[in-house]
Amino acid sequence: DIVMTQSPLSLPVTPGEPASISCRSSQSLLHPNGNNYLDWYLQKAGQSPQLLIYFGSNRASGVPDRFTGSGSGTDFTLKISRVEAEDVGVYYCMQALQNPLTFGGGTKVEIK
Amino acid sequence: QVQLQESGPGLVKPSETLSLTCTVSGGSLTISSHYLVWIRQPPGKGLEWIGSIYSDGSTYYNPSLKSRVTISVDTSKSQFSLRLSSVTAADTALYVCARRGHTSIPHWGQGTLVTVSS
Repeated sequence: DIVMTQSPLSLPVTPGEPASISCRSSQSLLHPNGNNYLDWYLQKAGQSPQLLIYFGSNRASGVPDRFTGSGSGTDFTLKISRVEAEDVGVYYCMQALQNPLTFGGGTKVEIK
Repeated sequence: QVQLQESGPGLVKPSETLSLTCTVSGGSLTISSHYLVWIRQPPGKGLEWIGSIYSDGSTYYNPSLKSRVTISVDTSKSQFSLRLSSVTAADTALYVCARRGHTSIPHWGQGTLVTVSS
């Protein structure tokens, strides 16, 4: 199985300030077609996860452009350029390259 | 707009079988040509992929659960189902059904909490 490791576990942020979350995979997620099979999801309190980023850097429909995904191979980053109150929740990375699909442990983003 | 709704008992006794159904509605090709997924989340913990089924009936299970899991699909009803046998307290979780796009998971149900207790 591909192991996904996120850091930090918790991220207190000030509204308007940037935030960054790291995700590392135990194997390369780069497919021969050139895409990285890495997604980012946000789970708000009491809700199911919502897709933010797919293929490592593509924003899903309706996702604000303050969210940016980057990285390739085994190292990926999700950046929020200016955190807003509505961005609080738990962020998960997920590898979609092979079964079993596996998730990172999550990063809880909260307002200071 | 694609919507998914889980249904089934919220309480299951230890050693019995957990059975849930997910109904998919809205949009075109609600089930056809898509991977349908079950994921679970124990209280206060992270996400665990249980397994997937394609509209042709092909299944893929998490090796950690494979001996106890069965996922099936009924395309005529736009439903797919999960059965997890010999449950224990460790299977207590929020069970969520979802539909994959090409690779990612853009459509999720709200989830249903299943508690394993006598």
